[in-house]
Order: sequence, then C-alpha cells, then structure tokens
Amino acid sequence: QKEVEQNSGPLSVPEGAIASLNCTYSDRGSQSFFWYRQYSGKSPELIMFIYSNGDKEDGRFTAQLNKASQYVSLLIRDSQPSDSATYLCAVNDAGGTSYGKLTFGQGTILTVHP
Amino acid sequence: ETGVTQTPRHLVMGMTNKKSLKCEQHLGHNAMYWYKQSAKKPLELMFVYNFKEQTENNSVPSRFSPECPNSSHLFLHLHTLQPEDSALYLCASSQEFLSYNEQFFGPGTRLTVL
Repeated sequence: QKEVEQNSGPLSVPEGAIASLNCTYSDRGSQSFFWYRQYSGKSPELIMFIYSNGDKEDGRFTAQLNKASQYVSLLIRDSQPSDSATYLCAVNDAGGTSYGKLTFGQGTILTVHP
Repeated sequence: ETGVTQTPRHLVMGMTNKKSLKCEQHLGHNAMYWYKQSAKKPLELMFVYNFKEQTENNSVPSRFSPECPNSSHLFLHLHTLQPEDSALYLCASSQEFLSYNEQFFGPGTRLTVL
C-alpha cells in the first residue's frame, strides 16, 4: 500500500512567522508532488507543485523536495491568518509511470494566530 | 471558484434510494476524476476517465457507478448506499491523465445516507 504521511497537527504559528509543513511518501517511483490548500467547507486548491530535487519558490511559498529521503515540504513565510487551512500533500503513485494517479496525505491543519 | 461545477451541493438519501451526482468542467480538459473525502481520512481516488474512457477504478463497490458521456461531463450514479458512504464527493479535472497536470476540483457534493 503506497502511503503519503503528514503530521495532522494542528500546527499553530504566530502571524509573521514561518510555517513548515512536512510530508513523506513511500513510492520511490513518484515523479510529481503537489501541495493543495483546503479551507473549511471548501474544495482543495493547488498552491505549489514540484518535480525536481531542490527548492521551488512562489511568492511566500517554497516547496522543497528530496527524492533520496522521500520527503517533500512546504514553507510559508510571513504567515497570515488567511493562511489558516488544511494543507494536503499529494504524490503521484503510478509506479514510476507518467500517469496522474494521486495519493493524498491526511492533511495538516495550520492555524495562524494574530 | 474553479471551472468545475457539481450538482447537487448537498444530498440526503435513504439506503434504498437511487440518485446521481453531476459534474461539469468548462476548462477544455480531457481527464475527469471522482474522489471521496471522509472525515479524518485522506482524500481517496475513486474513478478516472481519460478521453471518456475509464482508466482507473480504485476498488470501488458496485453501488457506485460512474458515467462519462463526453469529456465535459461526469456522473456518479448511487444505489443502495450504506451510512458509511456519507462523505464529501469531489469531482476534479485535468488537461490529461498525466503526472504533471494540475487537477482542478469542483466544490463537492455533501452526501448523507440515512
């Protein structure tokens, strides 16, 4: 059974701080890694994706991928109360193929307090 | 909201009822997905259609029956459901069923089985 593991939290950080969200995965053949944000009562929306080892930055968000350690993380700089949501890590688990079958982690609840 | 719509948004049904969920995407995508999101559990892929052909059935019970008449529409037909089938059912679409294609989610249908 291919797995994607996240700490369920809740992770609580003060406004302006860096929030660090972590995810590990079991399928060494995974090629694509996604971070989705889901507000309460809403559907998931993509905020970052990463395919290559290293860092990828987009505004206040940085995704970090280490395929050797099977680890992907999301850093949110200058956290705002509006960042309070559940963050879902998703990994393509098609056995090293290019198919878009995703396995999701259970999500980390992030709370940013003023 | 995204270019993926779902109806109805809320549905309450008895165990002997037959109902259908509808999904429509206005993004010109060729792949469509059904996911189930239950409380305290990760998002679970149910079915995938790529260019109207079913490419994934993730061991879903036969009381759930998908239908994809064209690339823009996806249905999930429900019959003789169980209370444990109560969940948020999310539809998603992507350009194709490939690992690097972003999946866009609809708002979901909140299903309650009595």
